Amino acid sequence: DGGITQSPKYLFRKEGQNVTLSCEQNLNHDAMYWYRQDPGQGLRLIYYSQIVNDFQKGDIAEGYSVSREKKESFPLTVTSAQKNPTAFYLCASSIGYGSYGYTFGSGTRLTVV
Amino acid sequence: AQKVTQAQTEISVVEKEDVTLDCVYETRDTTYYLFWYKQPPSGELVFLIRRNSFDEQNEISGRYSWNFQKSTSSFNFTITASQVVDSAVYFCALPNRDDKIIFGKGTRLHILP
Repeated sequence: DGGITQSPKYLFRKEGQNVTLSCEQNLNHDAMYWYRQDPGQGLRLIYYSQIVNDFQKGDIAEGYSVSREKKESFPLTVTSAQKNPTAFYLCASSIGYGSYGYTFGSGTRLTVV
Repeated sequence: AQKVTQAQTEISVVEKEDVTLDCVYETRDTTYYLFWYKQPPSGELVFLIRRNSFDEQNEISGRYSWNFQKSTSSFNFTITASQVVDSAVYFCALPNRDDKIIFGKGTRLHILP
């Protein structure tokens, strides 16, 4: 079945470390997105990519980095520069137009210890 | 700029009661789409409905119904005869002019047995 796979489901990071969250899709979607979710904050866009080898910053990109070397994959790195990384991270994809809606992964919960 | 407001942060109802989740949006576009997503405790956002602004008829899907009022810029969601499995966070959403989806902050719904 087609879908989006995020791994790991839970991730613990020590302060000062970089961590990478995986997002893979087999829907043949062109566009992929990373959102951060905090209690009471809704979903905030971190980065998005509408085509391979190209990506743009969203509303809260500071302290994060991404790559899009393959259509299927859009990993997110949370760097040590991100001051408050503890959150729930959601990856999504779409055929390229937001008006068609997004398909979401099941998320990664990152905790800094 | 596009904006989505879900004024109800949290709602609790007893099982079998009807409940309405409010969504008010702002857009300068004459043609647009609106969405509702459900986020159960597992974390993944699940697509519920996509509505084109040209179609102002109410939509019904089983116990779910949606009332689209263009005159008041509202797209409200009603669950009839609620069940415990309906407990989740519900998001209303609207694509912006860059074709990225803007989400409301969500309404957390508790269905009490």
